[in-house]
Amino acid sequence: DGGITQSPKYLFRKEGQNVTLSCEQNLNHDAMYWYRQDPGQGLRLIYYSQIVNDFQKGDIAEGYSVSREKKESFPLTVTSAQKNPTAFYLCASSIVGVTYNEQFFGPGTRLTVL
Amino acid sequence: AQKVTQAQTEISVVEKEDVTLDCVYETRDTTYYLFWYKQPPSGELVFLIRRNSFDEQNEISGRYSWNFQKSTSSFNFTITASQVVDSAVYFCALSERISNFGNEKLTFGTGTRLTIIP
Repeated sequence: DGGITQSPKYLFRKEGQNVTLSCEQNLNHDAMYWYRQDPGQGLRLIYYSQIVNDFQKGDIAEGYSVSREKKESFPLTVTSAQKNPTAFYLCASSIVGVTYNEQFFGPGTRLTVL
Repeated sequence: AQKVTQAQTEISVVEKEDVTLDCVYETRDTTYYLFWYKQPPSGELVFLIRRNSFDEQNEISGRYSWNFQKSTSSFNFTITASQVVDSAVYFCALSERISNFGNEKLTFGTGTRLTIIP
């Protein structure tokens, strides 16, 4: 079955540590996205990538980094520079085309900083 | 700047009642898309509907229906004969074109938590 997988589902990190969240898709989508969700809030865009080896900052990129070495994978690193990293992180992907195509989401990773 | 407002933070209704979730948006784009997503307790966002700005026809899918009114910048979502499985957080979202490649950024509302009481 095609879809988006994110691992791990729950992640705990000590302050000052970097941590990498995995996102893999087998939908053959060109575009991938990372969102952050805080309690009682909507999703906010961290980074997005339209093609391999290219990515762009979203609204809240500070303290995060990404890579896009393969079409299927778009890992997100939460660095120690991110002041408030505890949140729910969602990865999404979509087709890129002339008309807009909906984004499909993974199950998310809940990150807690201890 | 783009903005999506979901004024209803939480709604509770008894099973089988109808319920409408409100969504009001702001955009300067002449072409845009509106979306509704469902987020069950598991956390994954489930796509429900996409509507483009040129199509103001209402849409019905089973117990779900959507009312898009450009004049009032609203895109409301109605669930008829609600069921316990409809309990979730529902997000309305607005697209903003971010590249010439054709993909878009989504601006989300803060969501409405819907609880269906058995």
